[in-house]
Amino acid sequence: DGGITQSPKYLFRKEGQNVTLSCEQNLNHDAMYWYRQDPGQGLRLIYYSQIVNDFQKGDIAEGYSVSREKKESFPLTVTSAQKNPTAFYLCASSSEHYFYEQYFGPGTRLTVT
Amino acid sequence: RKEVEQDPGPFNVPEGATVAFNCTYSNSASQSFFWYRQDCRKEPKLLMSVYSSGNEDGRFTAQLNRASQYISLLIRDSKLSDSATYLCPPGGYNKLIFGAGTRLAVHP
Repeated sequence: DGGITQSPKYLFRKEGQNVTLSCEQNLNHDAMYWYRQDPGQGLRLIYYSQIVNDFQKGDIAEGYSVSREKKESFPLTVTSAQKNPTAFYLCASSSEHYFYEQYFGPGTRLTVT
Repeated sequence: RKEVEQDPGPFNVPEGATVAFNCTYSNSASQSFFWYRQDCRKEPKLLMSVYSSGNEDGRFTAQLNRASQYISLLIRDSKLSDSATYLCPPGGYNKLIFGAGTRLAVHP
């Protein structure tokens, strides 16, 4: 089955620690995205990548970093510089061949205390 | 003005009702339009893409009005399983702008 996987589903970390969230897709999509969602709010774009070895900042990139070494993978690191890291993190992918419809993974719920 | 605006609701409707949501967007250069549904604490799922002036899929009809910069979603014969938050992100090349969505609650 084709799809997007994110792991882990729940993640707990202490303040001051960096943490990396995994995102893998086997849809052969070129573009991948990371969003953050806070309770009762919309999704906000953190980073996106349209091609391997290239990525762009979204609206709230401060305190986050990404890499895109493989087409299938787009890991997100939440660094200690991110002031309010507790949130629901969603990864998505899309293809120009399908009008850039974005398909989402199940998300990772990160809690930092 | 926000890039995308939706009535947050909740829209409380009985099963079998017809309900409509509107979504206005500010960027006239937006090229792609979608409706997603998001269940509580889950990821958004693509409901339908909207090309040209509209699209229909079973009980769901979406319409796009570029002149007035809004997109609508009509749900006929509501089911309990339609209860969710509905998102309408407009987008340009490869980027979508999400609002907080409209919450629908269908009751027996």
